[in-house]
Parts: sequence; structure tokens; C-alpha cells
Amino acid sequence: EIVLTQSPATLSLSPGERATLSCRASQSVSGYLAWYQQKPGRAPRLLIYDASNRATGIPARFSGSGSGTDFTLTISSLEPEDFAFYFCQQRSNWPRTFGQGTKVEIK
Amino acid sequence: EVQLLESGGGVVQPGGSLRLSCAASGFTFSSHSMTWVRQAPGKGLEWVSTIRATNGDTYYADSVAGRFTISRDNSENTLHLQMNSLRAEDTAVYYCARGGFTSSFDSWGQGILVPVPS
Repeated sequence: EIVLTQSPATLSLSPGERATLSCRASQSVSGYLAWYQQKPGRAPRLLIYDASNRATGIPARFSGSGSGTDFTLTISSLEPEDFAFYFCQQRSNWPRTFGQGTKVEIK
Repeated sequence: EVQLLESGGGVVQPGGSLRLSCAASGFTFSSHSMTWVRQAPGKGLEWVSTIRATNGDTYYADSVAGRFTISRDNSENTLHLQMNSLRAEDTAVYYCARGGFTSSFDSWGQGILVPVPS
């Protein structure tokens, strides 16, 4: 099973600041990594697929990068609605696995 | 607009069974793999099972293999999850999601709670 480790667990930032979230895989997932945003009581929403492709309707302030074992989600300038949980997920191998999540909270 | 609507949740005692359904609309259901993902209260996301679009191949997490069965009815645009021998640790919100085989989970249902009291 591929283990995805996200860091940091919590990121405390102010609106307008840049957020950098990390996801590290226990073995290579090539480029088959996605990022999801989840707000309390809501379903997750796909932000980035295949490491660097924004999903439909996702603002340009969200960007993804990386390949192999190290991936990054960057939010260039935090908007109030961006404070949420973020999960990475790989589709390289079975079982599909998620990272444990990063909470982006208002400082 | 893609819509996924789960139903069938509710309290079930340990050892019991439950069948979840997910009604899909707004896309060609038969062309997409479909997946169940769950989230225990206050915890992260856990992939449960995926069913392919074409040949109906199925994949399961070790935690549910042998107890849960995923299926689909392409004539009714519906995804199912038959859950048997339920345990307290199966307590979670269950989401159906589009994709999972050759794509990420690009659309999600609103989720349905399945409590299994210990």
C-alpha cells in the first residue's frame, strides 16, 4: 500500500498569504496524484488531478506540482473561502489511498 | 450538471447488513468507473471500493473485502454498495464518487451517514 504523508498537519495563515502544502508518497506514483478540498459537513471537491491539472471551475490561484514521490499544492493568495481541509490521493496503485490531510486555518 | 445522490443509510447493529445506493444523473453513467469513499467521524478519507465502467471489474480495500460488494445497474444509472457483517469501525459518512479507475474522483455525492453502534 502506498502511504501518503501530508505536511504540515495545520497551516495557520492570513487571507492574502501564500499557502504551500506538501504530500510525500512512500513510493513513486508517477504523476497520478490529486488534491481535494473539504469544508466541514461538505463533500470533498476535486481541485487538481494528475499532479498539475486544475479541475473544471477551479480558480487559477490553486496550482499543483511534482512527480514521483514529492508533490506540492500552492494557493497563491488565500481567499476567505480557502480555509478548509486539503487531502492528496494517488491512483497509481491499488488500494487507492489518501493522505491524512492538512488543515488551512485563519491565523 | 453531474449529480450523485446517496440513499439507504441509517443505524444498523453490529453484524447487520445495509445496502447503499447512489443515483447518478447529468452524465453517461455507463462510461465512467464509480467509487465509494468513506469518512469516519472526525477522520480522514478512506477509499472503499471501485467498479470499472467497461467490464465491471471490482476493487476493494482490505478492511471491507469479503464483507462489502459494489455493483452497478447501468440501465438505472445507479451504483450500489451491499454492506454485510457490519462493525462499529464501519461507522462513517459514505460518499459515492465518479471515477477511480483511470481518473481521479471528479464529482461527489453529498454523503450518507451509516452509524454502527458498538
